Amino acid sequence: GAGVSQSPRYKVAKRGQDVALRCDPISGHVSLFWYQQALGQGPEFLTYFQNEAQLDKSGLPSDRFFAERPEGSVSTLKIQRTQQEDSAVYLCASSLWYLAGEDTQYFGPGTRLTVL
Amino acid sequence: DQQVKQNSPSLSVQEGRISILNCDYTNSMFDYFLWYKKYPAEGPTFLISISSIKDKNEDGRFTVFLNKSAKHLSLHIVPSQPGDSAVYFCAASGMNYGGSQGNLIFGKGTKLSVKP
Repeated sequence: GAGVSQSPRYKVAKRGQDVALRCDPISGHVSLFWYQQALGQGPEFLTYFQNEAQLDKSGLPSDRFFAERPEGSVSTLKIQRTQQEDSAVYLCASSLWYLAGEDTQYFGPGTRLTVL
Repeated sequence: DQQVKQNSPSLSVQEGRISILNCDYTNSMFDYFLWYKKYPAEGPTFLISISSIKDKNEDGRFTVFLNKSAKHLSLHIVPSQPGDSAVYFCAASGMNYGGSQGNLIFGKGTKLSVKP
């Protein structure tokens, strides 16, 4: 079946612009995660949804970052007034169960954001 | 302070030989561990996982070993193939870990090169 998809794959923004990154999880997956991966680093947790509820946003680096999943499927990560330090690959992952302690997360290809 | 550490940034192995990738963690609340493989311009692909109630899990050419007392896990690939050349990430999570329900904590990755 179809995996996790993300769009756009690449995004170039001028500093100060707003961007919106989309994630389509695997159909039926309850849990959805966003991660940020800087160059040469491992992915770092941003936020977590269980269906439409955002249960954890502790990893969002500032109030310029906002995520939503209004119908419990597609999710959007929005970054307002982008800064150069926001340049990174943004990864979305989904997993089947809401008790995700021992559940496998499946990742999308990521969106590479470059802020000039 | 990194909670999941992959101390070898790179590893080079001859085709047909064993590849051993290592990972150390500091948080004893972690109880589920995963290995992901990542090719350039793609998202991480799930490889194999292990629960803390086990000390070994095997899937084809891939075996993960967990030493809880040492807070150490390793991934063995036997025999190594050129197509295994990628960056390998170790990740940890836990239901009782202070983070979200299952958000993954990643190491920085080890780049494996398998030479023909």
